[in-house]
Amino acid sequence: EAGVTQFPSHSVIEKGQTVTLRCDPISGHDNLYWYRRVMGKEIKFLLHFVKESKQDESGMPNNRFLAERTGGTYSTLKVQPAELEDSGVYFCASSAASYGYTFGSGTRLTVV
Amino acid sequence: AQSVTQLGSHVSVSEGALVLLRCNYSSSVPPYLFWYVQYPNQGLQLLLKYTSAATLVKGINGFEAEFKKSETSFHLTKPSAHMSDAAEYFCAVSDQGSSNTGKLIFGQGTTLQVKP
Repeated sequence: EAGVTQFPSHSVIEKGQTVTLRCDPISGHDNLYWYRRVMGKEIKFLLHFVKESKQDESGMPNNRFLAERTGGTYSTLKVQPAELEDSGVYFCASSAASYGYTFGSGTRLTVV
Repeated sequence: AQSVTQLGSHVSVSEGALVLLRCNYSSSVPPYLFWYVQYPNQGLQLLLKYTSAATLVKGINGFEAEFKKSETSFHLTKPSAHMSDAAEYFCAVSDQGSSNTGKLIFGQGTTLQVKP
């Protein structure tokens, strides 16, 4: 069974540019989550999809961040325009009611 | 609200010595608790999880953790450290208690260094 796949694994962009991160969850997992870890801080929740619907987006830092989940399958997280403080590692995870979390390897975003 | 505190951002042990990584939690409901490990340049890997079935939970790579409700603790241990255990370890609690689908609240992480 394929795990949670994230790409790109690394992205370096300039301040003001746009970046889109993608997450492919485990097939059949209705729940998809985005988390972020900025330098030296704890991993923090961003949002939670159930299928294509946003269940909880209380962790999204501001309106520069837009998450979508097309047809309840893969998800994208767009940052537009990127700021220096957006640098960090973005993790995606998926889960099913009868099966716990599986995390992806993360995308390391560097904004310069 | 749920929260997690990991005591010690860095722990250093000698190869073969006991590993003890501390985690205390706060939860208003019976919790699901997790330990994750992140090896350099890799993602988060589940070591073990507590789901109320047994207070002593055994995980992968020889790690185990004991849930102590009276102490609100879920410390991670391994009897004998190996060089390959060097990594960052995260304790987490589900915000929905006994659920596989709640969001996770993470501790700050503990970096384990293993000296030869």
